[in-house]
Amino acid sequence: GDSVTQMEGPVTLSEEAFLTINCTYTATGYPSLFWYVQYPGEGLQLLLKATKADDKGSNKGFEATYRKETTSFHLEKGSVQVSDSAVYFCALSGSSGTYKYIFGTGTRLKVLA
Amino acid sequence: NAGVTQTPKFQVLKTGQSMTLQCAQDMNHNSMYWYRQDPGMGLRLIYYSASEGTTDKGEVPNGYNVSRLNKREFSLRLESAAPSQTSVYFCASSARQGGNTEAFFGQGTRLTVV
Repeated sequence: GDSVTQMEGPVTLSEEAFLTINCTYTATGYPSLFWYVQYPGEGLQLLLKATKADDKGSNKGFEATYRKETTSFHLEKGSVQVSDSAVYFCALSGSSGTYKYIFGTGTRLKVLA
Repeated sequence: NAGVTQTPKFQVLKTGQSMTLQCAQDMNHNSMYWYRQDPGMGLRLIYYSASEGTTDKGEVPNGYNVSRLNKREFSLRLESAAPSQTSVYFCASSARQGGNTEAFFGQGTRLTVV
């Protein structure tokens, strides 16, 4: 079945460091891919999405490119801030035969001042 | 903008008690979902409703029932709570079932079963 695999955390970075959180997926068909962010005590919020191969989603300095050849959707940010500390979830939906949202296990990011 | 509203935010139950988690969305979305979040497990789908009048099992439906009361509301019921159901529960909605539309989430219900 469809699945999403994320790098395990926690990831600890200093402010202004470069961030990469790896995400790979297994799916039949052509899913849409999402990154969600969860701040402490809150629900998940959409960070960015990409709906077809080679699309780049971007928001608040974060970017991710839909790579069909490597089945990946890695999240990147050039310069993280303390306020980026949160849990990040990669997800997919819309693969043929399934229209549910399937999530990775989440990666906790901690940014130190 | 309310979005997706869940009640209650916190609940403690004794083993064997029952309760209903309420969820309502004001975005006129067709599809609604219930997930549970456990450490190291990510979000796992319990039940979903593709449209008003339909419900389907997700990955972990045992011990739960759902009701799609109308287009706005989707409730989750625990008939006889067990400690294994201690978790954070999230309701979500989307304009249609998956595809290229994103899901919107509520703030969560933190449930402890003792």
